Amino acid sequence: EADIYQTPRYLVIGTGKKITLECSQTMGHDKMYWYQQDPGMELHLIHYSYGVNSTEKGDLSSESTVSRIRTEHFPLTLESARPSHTSQYLCASSPDRHYGYTFGSGTRLTVV
Amino acid sequence: AQTVTQSQPEMSVQEAETVTLSCTYDTSESNYYLFWYKQPPSRQMILVIRQEAYKQQNATENRFSVNFQKAAKSFSLKISDSQLGDTAMYFCAFIDSGTYKYIFGTGTRLKVLA
Repeated sequence: EADIYQTPRYLVIGTGKKITLECSQTMGHDKMYWYQQDPGMELHLIHYSYGVNSTEKGDLSSESTVSRIRTEHFPLTLESARPSHTSQYLCASSPDRHYGYTFGSGTRLTVV
Repeated sequence: AQTVTQSQPEMSVQEAETVTLSCTYDTSESNYYLFWYKQPPSRQMILVIRQEAYKQQNATENRFSVNFQKAAKSFSLKISDSQLGDTAMYFCAFIDSGTYKYIFGTGTRLKVLA
């Protein structure tokens, strides 16, 4: 039973559209993360947050932005979707480093 | 730079048999944590097992156990009595005490054969 929720589960959208991928967790975790998972299944960190009003860019350059106004909510926004953004996006949270992550179910995005 | 290497892109095992997935890492830190995650096809990624570097005893969770060799920087996952539901991508991950960014390996795709 997931305590971290991602919506939508699947999304097909046209080039140039603005989209927001939602991620919410009910566990009160301070740390939240967004990963892009490529077709080969490798995980790439694109954004992370240590708490409210804290956001950082990850290791993979991304044209997306994030916000962290509330502890439980960490949405990811693409201002202008492109076919190169087609991927699976995974959200995760953690209370502290030694606990590991709790992952959401992911959003599979297709830009046509 | 810290790295995590999973040298087996794909593996297969017969149902009820035992399989070991390899993971090596590179770090100069002495205090860190290691994890194995499981991602079944089209399903949520879940934490399988964790190991704290300062603990000598290998972690065990039911049919899953690790062989942690700190000097060799090796952290392999052993799955005993493999079941069809163990078919998944398995990721090894590392984090040290100075950061909140986890480092993942590239994954091993395990297929359990009936």
